[in-house]
Amino acid sequence: DAGVTQSPTHLIKTRGQQVTLRCSPKSGHDTVSWYQQALGQGPQFIFQYYEEEERQRGNFPDRFSGHQFPNYSSELNVNALLLGDSALYLCASSPLARETQYFGPGTRLLVL
Amino acid sequence: SQQGEEDPQALSIQEGENATMNCSYKTSINNLQWYRQNSGRGLVHLILIRSNEREKHSGRLRVTLDTSKKSSSLLITASRAADTASYFCATDLIKAAGNKLTFGGGTRVLVKP
Repeated sequence: DAGVTQSPTHLIKTRGQQVTLRCSPKSGHDTVSWYQQALGQGPQFIFQYYEEEERQRGNFPDRFSGHQFPNYSSELNVNALLLGDSALYLCASSPLARETQYFGPGTRLLVL
Repeated sequence: SQQGEEDPQALSIQEGENATMNCSYKTSINNLQWYRQNSGRGLVHLILIRSNEREKHSGRLRVTLDTSKKSSSLLITASRAADTASYFCATDLIKAAGNKLTFGGGTRVLVKP
């Protein structure tokens, strides 16, 4: 049983560019959440998707957007990249109404 | 802002010793969870304790929760070098529309062989 997978593992972009990160949830999970983790800090909640809709959103600007597909996989898009967007982006999945979230290995984004 | 704050920020112990770290939070919670992260990789779920529970065990892990003080502690007994990692507490307030985790800044634990 595959766990949560994310792609790519690493990414380098320049300021102003756009990036798309991908996540496949654990089998049987229909809820996907995205978190941003800056170096040396704890993860910060970006948003959560369920039934292809954004269900909750953290304190992130509209440059951060997402999508969930019918197979429950998800994408995180960030437009107009800033240096401060450099971070580890974590995807987590869970079955609806269950509290435990299962995290993927993350995508490390570096913005130059 | 972060809901949970871990203390200490860093901890260095010898293999075989116990490691204790604490977490404080600000608002009412449904449950509190502890996660481990190795070398900036994905987080691994360790244990979940609900607001109506006071103590929970899982292998060498013991978690306590004091809702009156809005605090929790994680104890790792008989530590091993493989326990070297960052440990995060996360609070979960389940709402009708879903649930999200609010993490603290973490405790970095070094277990020396």
